[in-house]
Amino acid sequence: AQKVTQAQTEISVVEKEDVTLDCVYETRDTTYYLFWYKQPPSGELVFLIRRNSFDEQNEISGRYSWNFQKSTSSFNFTITASQVVDSAVYFCALRVVGGQGGKLIFGQGTELSVKP
Amino acid sequence: NAGVTQTPKFRILKIGQSMTLQCTQDMNHNYMYWYRQDPGMGLKLIYYSVGAGITDKGEVPNGYNVSRSTTEDFPLRLELAAPSQTSVYFCASLQTGSSSNQPQHFGDGTRLSIL
Repeated sequence: AQKVTQAQTEISVVEKEDVTLDCVYETRDTTYYLFWYKQPPSGELVFLIRRNSFDEQNEISGRYSWNFQKSTSSFNFTITASQVVDSAVYFCALRVVGGQGGKLIFGQGTELSVKP
Repeated sequence: NAGVTQTPKFRILKIGQSMTLQCTQDMNHNYMYWYRQDPGMGLKLIYYSVGAGITDKGEVPNGYNVSRSTTEDFPLRLELAAPSQTSVYFCASLQTGSSSNQPQHFGDGTRLSIL
């Protein structure tokens, strides 16, 4: 069975602090894809990043960085120098090959609150 | 570029009423999905379609029906609304299939309350 766990339900930080959102996944498949989505207070889902199971390179995009470690089945997301606009719910998701038409398996989400 | 469009954005239903949530995409994607998001939870798959005329159940299909008569449209039908179906519903589309590393494109959601 496949599963995604985001153990942090809520995180509150003060602006300019760094924050890491944890994501742990479970799958027996050797080929899979991982995604992060942002859901701001307006409610839409915004795609942030994808990672293939065979590509363990970390990635940095501006203040965002992602650390993918297959050895620990983790795909963590770090925001550096957080800003109020980063306040949102963040979802980690997993797609396995052949699974129900490529459905995404979502974690429960982490609600990030960045206070000024 | 409209992407994935869902209507309505909000709706209140009475128990036992029926309604159809509309979803249309203009990207010629062959895969489409319906998810529901309950408070404090991630999204769960209701139904999906891999092309016109082909649909299949997801994790939580009970109480819902879908059809896919065209590539563009994938409506979700609630026949007898129940309070347990109060949720936010998201439609999504994907160009290629389960082996794709492309992200799903999501609509803005329909917030449905059943009283």
